[in-house]
Amino acid sequence: GESVGLHLPTLSVQEGDNSIINCAYSNSASDYFIWYKQESGKGPQFIIDIRSNMDKRQGQRVTVLLNKTVKHLSLQIAATQPGDSAVYFCAENPGGSYIPTFGRGTSLIVHP
Amino acid sequence: EPEVTQTPSHQVTQMGQEVILRCVPISNHLYFYWYRQILGQKVEFLVSFYNNEISEKSEIFDDQFSVERPDGSNFTLKIRSTKLEDSAMYFCASSATGINYGYTFGSGTRLTVV
Repeated sequence: GESVGLHLPTLSVQEGDNSIINCAYSNSASDYFIWYKQESGKGPQFIIDIRSNMDKRQGQRVTVLLNKTVKHLSLQIAATQPGDSAVYFCAENPGGSYIPTFGRGTSLIVHP
Repeated sequence: EPEVTQTPSHQVTQMGQEVILRCVPISNHLYFYWYRQILGQKVEFLVSFYNNEISEKSEIFDDQFSVERPDGSNFTLKIRSTKLEDSAMYFCASSATGINYGYTFGSGTRLTVV
């Protein structure tokens, strides 16, 4: 029978380029946001988080930007490497809950 | 680095059968979770568990689902009578503090209901 799958947004980049993955969140009451990386066959892995009282947070090679006005979150990866190839999920915590609500995911493909 | 271990990695079961998915959380963690991910879709919360009881559950987690911590190390998800639409990856996660930056996910169990 025919199978129907959900096609993830895909971002293809060359090794060494910077990557920007975007996410729109829905709940204006969300006060905590997380980016997860999911490699094939594995569970989500925490990358970086940001609270709603901040608009930028930096980690190692990664930066998260939060624009609460337009409810937009982005993940920037500097000098992208083939090992960065994965599906990236943003997640938001509605205020008062510690249970993250995951977004749809973006597939990042890094070409050597 | 400590890991959350899930077994089996893949389970095939007939519709209507009961399945038990097993997880060994990180040993000093106190909060436990189950999530599922239907192929190609987003990760969905099922249930959280703390102090030997369910602390929060989603509408997906109906009477067909149950969780248990039968001993000091295992955390199980039981589906009583599986349906085709239960086919998914099931992820267990644990955290020390209940705040999700401390989540550690397992590698998942792929459940296929035929």
